[in-house]
Amino acid sequence: SYVLTQPPSVSVAPRQTARITCGGNNIGSKGVHWYQQKPGQAPVLVVYDDSDRPSGIPERFSGSNSGNTATLTISRVEAGDEADYYCQVWESSSDHPYVFGTGTKVTVL
Amino acid sequence: EVQLVESGGVVLQPGGSLRLSCAASGFTFDDYAMHWVRQTPGKGLEWVSLISWDGGTTYYADSVKGRFTISRDNTKNSLYLQMSSLRAEDTAFYYCAREGLTEYSTSSGRFDYWGQGTLVTVSS
Repeated sequence: SYVLTQPPSVSVAPRQTARITCGGNNIGSKGVHWYQQKPGQAPVLVVYDDSDRPSGIPERFSGSNSGNTATLTISRVEAGDEADYYCQVWESSSDHPYVFGTGTKVTVL
Repeated sequence: EVQLVESGGVVLQPGGSLRLSCAASGFTFDDYAMHWVRQTPGKGLEWVSLISWDGGTTYYADSVKGRFTISRDNTKNSLYLQMSSLRAEDTAFYYCAREGLTEYSTSSGRFDYWGQGTLVTVSS
């Protein structure tokens, strides 16, 4: 089945930019979705279809996808952005259609 | 406001059975495919199962195939997960999640709303 690989952790200072990668074979040909999960809470969709944002998600969250890597970028990082982030793709023709990345813990220094 | 509220999580022994429920409100339930996603405490997310809007199509992760059954009752706006032959490795928070629609009202492959989860612990 399809595998999505993320770095286990990313550290960033407040007001700086955090970039979280999601690696997968030819992931650029798929739509990538990103979720934020704070401790003790359910995941929240923050970016979908590579770069679109649901209503209510700040413009500081953006995404891109090309080749074998998708990236979630958080600009002007705030303390409240500290969370786990997961990428996800949909393989509609697969027996294992919904695949999550391994997750990245973002720490705000 | 969209709400998904799971219930049914308990502590039980290996080999046991359990049914989880998810009560949906704030949207037209039978317009949407629904899912169960689980997360072992301190670990990542694992997709478990999908059911189409009308219940006619279901999919399962290999790890639960043959042991878990997803179902829905659109008259009650409810989603269910019947779990049997439970193993220690099934210990997890189980989340009910809605699959969002595209602008063409087709399945999008993304989870746009999640419940708060219910904890299932399988332990002797």
